Amino acid sequence: DIVMTQSPLSLPVTPGEPASISCRSSQSLLHRNGYNYLDWYLQKPGQSPQLLIYLGSDRASGVPDRFSGSGSGTNFTLKISRVEAEDVGVYYCMQGLESPRFTFGPGTKVDLK
Amino acid sequence: EVQLVQSGPEVKKPGESLKISCTGSGYSFPSYWLGWVRQTPGKGLEWMGIIYPSNSDSIYSPSFQGQVTFSADRSLRTVYLQWSSLQASDTAIYFCARARYCSGGGCYSPEYWGQGTLVIVSS
Repeated sequence: DIVMTQSPLSLPVTPGEPASISCRSSQSLLHRNGYNYLDWYLQKPGQSPQLLIYLGSDRASGVPDRFSGSGSGTNFTLKISRVEAEDVGVYYCMQGLESPRFTFGPGTKVDLK
Repeated sequence: EVQLVQSGPEVKKPGESLKISCTGSGYSFPSYWLGWVRQTPGKGLEWMGIIYPSNSDSIYSPSFQGQVTFSADRSLRTVYLQWSSLQASDTAIYFCARARYCSGGGCYSPEYWGQGTLVIVSS
């Protein structure tokens, strides 16, 4: 199984400032088709997870452009250019290379300073 | 609009059986698998596995193989997650989820999620 790790696990943020979360996988998520099968999700308090980024860097429908994903192989990053109060919650990365046997990272809790 | 609606919260005793449901609408129900995800109190997300509503074939993650059973009723556009004998450790919120897209024989990036079903197992 592919193991996912994230850092940091807790991230206090200041509204208006940038934020960044790292995700690493135990095996490369780069498929021979050239795509990285890495997704990012945000679970806001009391809600279901919502897809933010798929294939490493593509924003899902309706996701603000302050969210961006980058990386390849085993190292990935989610960046928020300017944090807003509504961005608090837990962020998860998830590998999809072994679909349908997905695995999530442990989550990064983002809250306001 | 794609929607997944799950059944309501459950409170059960250890050893009891349980079946919870997830009903899909707004898309071709047989065309996408539906997956189940567990979230234990204060913890993260665990992918449990999937079921293909077209033929009820299921794939379980190793941690859940033999512990739960998936089933489907195409006529009701509903999939089910069931336990034959609940344990306190099954206390969690359970989500169903559908892939964003399918390509090359696989489906990826769960984008549509149910609202979650809280299951509490306590004596």
